[in-house]
Amino acid sequence: LAKTTQPISMDSYEGQEVNITCSHNNIATNDYITWYQQFPSQGPRFIIQGYKTKVTNEVASLFIPADRKSSTLSLPRVSLSDTAVYYCLVGDMDNQGGKLIFGQGTELSVKP
Amino acid sequence: ETGVTQSPTHLIKTRGQQVTLRCSSQSGHNTVSWYQQALGQGPQFIFQYYREEENGRGNFPPRFSGLQFPNYSSELNVNALELDDSALYLCASSLVRGTGGNEQFFGPGTRLTVL
Repeated sequence: LAKTTQPISMDSYEGQEVNITCSHNNIATNDYITWYQQFPSQGPRFIIQGYKTKVTNEVASLFIPADRKSSTLSLPRVSLSDTAVYYCLVGDMDNQGGKLIFGQGTELSVKP
Repeated sequence: ETGVTQSPTHLIKTRGQQVTLRCSSQSGHNTVSWYQQALGQGPQFIFQYYREEENGRGNFPPRFSGLQFPNYSSELNVNALELDDSALYLCASSLVRGTGGNEQFFGPGTRLTVL
């Protein structure tokens, strides 16, 4: 199972774009890249998932280079409510028994 | 909201006791996973159930066991509770499609405190 490395913490200000990069050098061919957001004492919430190139939804974009050894979660114009822990996960959800491997995550603090 | 519910919200037990935590999956989902999250750590995978059978297990001892029912609800049972079992227990449901990528929807969790 691919291991991920991401910054422990990041600070930003309201209205800025935030980019969180995750390294996953041992990603396998069938692995997907998924990002979750978690607020204190709540369950993680799915943000975005991708396999290659760029994926965009209503809340974020996910950039994946051709070698897939890293990925960048981009949050446009963050607000105070985006203060949370963000987890990058890599894996083949069906063939690994649905085992999501969470690392330490990145604690994002958005300031006024 | 994800449609995944868990009960109870909070629970206090003493060392050596047994506990049962419950989860109701999102409608239409055929898979449920359980995670343990200690304070300040990421969630750790306990096990997953697919169509009422265990379908993957993390590094947890046998005193952690589970059940999945035909209506896709699930239970997590922990016997002989230890102080280190104090954590937030999360349930996540998903629909396994066989495409290699699927979204897991997490419940709000049950906060277990072992004294």
